[in-house]
Amino acid sequence: SSELTQDPAVSVALGQTVRITCQGDSLRDYNASWYRQKPGQAPVAVIYGRNYRPSGIPDRFSGSTSGDTASLTITGTQAEDEADYYCYSRDSTTNHVRFGGGTKLTVL
Amino acid sequence: QAQLVQSGAEVKKPGASVKVSCQASGYTFTNFDIDWVRQAPGQGLEWMGRVHRFNGVTTYTHDLQDRVTMTTDPSTSTAYMELRSLRSDDTAVYYCVRDYYDKRGYYYDSWGQGTLVTVSS
Repeated sequence: SSELTQDPAVSVALGQTVRITCQGDSLRDYNASWYRQKPGQAPVAVIYGRNYRPSGIPDRFSGSTSGDTASLTITGTQAEDEADYYCYSRDSTTNHVRFGGGTKLTVL
Repeated sequence: QAQLVQSGAEVKKPGASVKVSCQASGYTFTNFDIDWVRQAPGQGLEWMGRVHRFNGVTTYTHDLQDRVTMTTDPSTSTAYMELRSLRSDDTAVYYCVRDYYDKRGYYYDSWGQGTLVTVSS
């Protein structure tokens, strides 16, 4: 399947570690990127490639992939991390982009 | 610092067309492709397609390929997205994004501010 599946909602206690996952066949061939979107704002990339953070993204964000599942891990979650998170992949043949359905992260 | 600035909000009737512009600055426009992504109210991100940075070759998502046209004008560092035969479910915020690539991979490193297109009779 070309779909990317994410859990609709995840919660985490302030200061704890949370993992957000994304499952799809295309992830076997392509390293996922992850985007954070706060209400009323454009998304911002937090992880790309195998596990790289764009400039300005804190090192509490990390990424990994195992088989068909990519994970975004936030270590020591802060209140400002509360947002929607989307995974992103590209089809290795067509170069088309696919987004996951998004995960709403709530920080308790 | 790359920046993408989009045209303003639009209200259209069903069946009409809309054309959204995206002016780039702060980098060499012909070094990176431009993608378009939309987001319906309360919904997730949907990739619409891509226009090549200098030769204008396009690739569109299957669902929209009959109604969308993406172009660029390198002389003004501007990209355009036209969507025809608008329907109510085309109501969304439309984003242009820079398709950044380095040896570590692709990602969208710059986003326009978004253009709200409302389709209503």
